[in-house]
Amino acid sequence: DQQVKQNSPSLSVQEGRISILNCDYTNSMFDYFLWYKKYPAEGPTFLISISSIKDKNEDGRFTVFLNKSAKHLSLHIVPSQPGDSAVYFCAATLGSSNTGKLIFGQGTTLQVKP
Amino acid sequence: DSGVTQTPKHLITATGQRVTLRCSPRSGDLSVYWYQQSLDQGLQFLIQYYNGEERAKGNILERFSAQQFPDLHSELNLSSLELGDSALYFCASSPGPDEKLFFGSGTQLSVL
Repeated sequence: DQQVKQNSPSLSVQEGRISILNCDYTNSMFDYFLWYKKYPAEGPTFLISISSIKDKNEDGRFTVFLNKSAKHLSLHIVPSQPGDSAVYFCAATLGSSNTGKLIFGQGTTLQVKP
Repeated sequence: DSGVTQTPKHLITATGQRVTLRCSPRSGDLSVYWYQQSLDQGLQFLIQYYNGEERAKGNILERFSAQQFPDLHSELNLSSLELGDSALYFCASSPGPDEKLFFGSGTQLSVL
């Protein structure tokens, strides 16, 4: 039972263009969402998060959008850079008070071509 | 470097054996988490400790156990190993029980 799904295993974009990574969830009780980035041979690192009371959160080149009615969130990276090439995990949890018990998606491998 | 140290980085063992994975959290972090990443699953939450006490449990098998010691390091014990236990095991830590996680680089376990 995959409660958090990232249906695109991989994505390739050109440097300078926008990268859009998508994530769907099934549990309507989730109310806090996070994105993690993972480079090879390293652990995941926190990127950006959003609470369900918001529909957008922005941090520099990274913006996360949340559509609660569709149970869908997306991560936009603008402009994309070769250093952004990594695996991106979407995660959800039941409120920011429980951010340790994360439910992760399968990950999307982003390749940014110079 | 997240500040979370996991040892060993790689571990190869046989079915039926028992292994111990070790995690040292970031200095000052009281909470430790264990996650498993296998090929057919995403990162799956196993268990969380806070200041020596178990705080939350996920889909952790009965063959697996963990503990957090007074010096706050943690160990994950995996016994009666099966081929399907082959995975990347991550430890993460956070200052408190409900704060942002910092992940270690993982222990790659191969059960042959």
